[in-house]
Amino acid sequence: KNQVEQSPQSLIILEGKNCTLQCNYTVSPFSNLRWYKQDTGRGPVSLTIMTFSENTKSNGRYTATLDADTKQSSLHITASQLSDSASYICVVSGRGGSYIPTFGRGTSLIVHP
Amino acid sequence: EADIYQTPRYLVIGTGKKITLECSQTMGHDKMYWYQQDPGMELHLIHYSYGVNSTEKGDLSSESTVSRIRTEHFPLTLESARPSHTSQYLCASSDTDPNNEQFFGPGTRLTVL
Repeated sequence: KNQVEQSPQSLIILEGKNCTLQCNYTVSPFSNLRWYKQDTGRGPVSLTIMTFSENTKSNGRYTATLDADTKQSSLHITASQLSDSASYICVVSGRGGSYIPTFGRGTSLIVHP
Repeated sequence: EADIYQTPRYLVIGTGKKITLECSQTMGHDKMYWYQQDPGMELHLIHYSYGVNSTEKGDLSSESTVSRIRTEHFPLTLESARPSHTSQYLCASSDTDPNNEQFFGPGTRLTVL
């Protein structure tokens, strides 16, 4: 069964600090991996997408990495801001079949002033 | 901001009532999805559609039904609401390319008393 595991489950950091969130997956064959940001009470919004041939991609202060061999991804947030407080969800899509993506449970990040 | 809308945003109803959650998108996307999400938990796919007159059940067993009569409209109906249906319901849409982003609506928070 396709699975996406995220760690840590929750994280509290001080404003201005960096942090890294982890995602391990078993989806195969692999098509792409997205990181979404979900603010409380809102729908998720895509931050980055990575395909098999990509191993790093940045979007402002967000940098995602992908190791397709070990089936691991990370999301690094630099110089955190209060507005970064949200849930970060790793979503993996496979090739073939119905292309229905598999969602991780998310990492809840709280940034304190 | 994604052009996908959900109504109502909040709904409190009594047990046994029939309700319909509305979802509309103006992006011309063929694929649409309904997810259920409890606080701090992952999104669970309950229904999806690849186009007009196409609907499929997702992983989560649900007493709900959907219809796709028009490309832009994908309503979700609960014939007889129960307290176990209390949750956040998120609608999403995407283009047919598997690398394309899912755009999410703001969600409907349903409480069944």
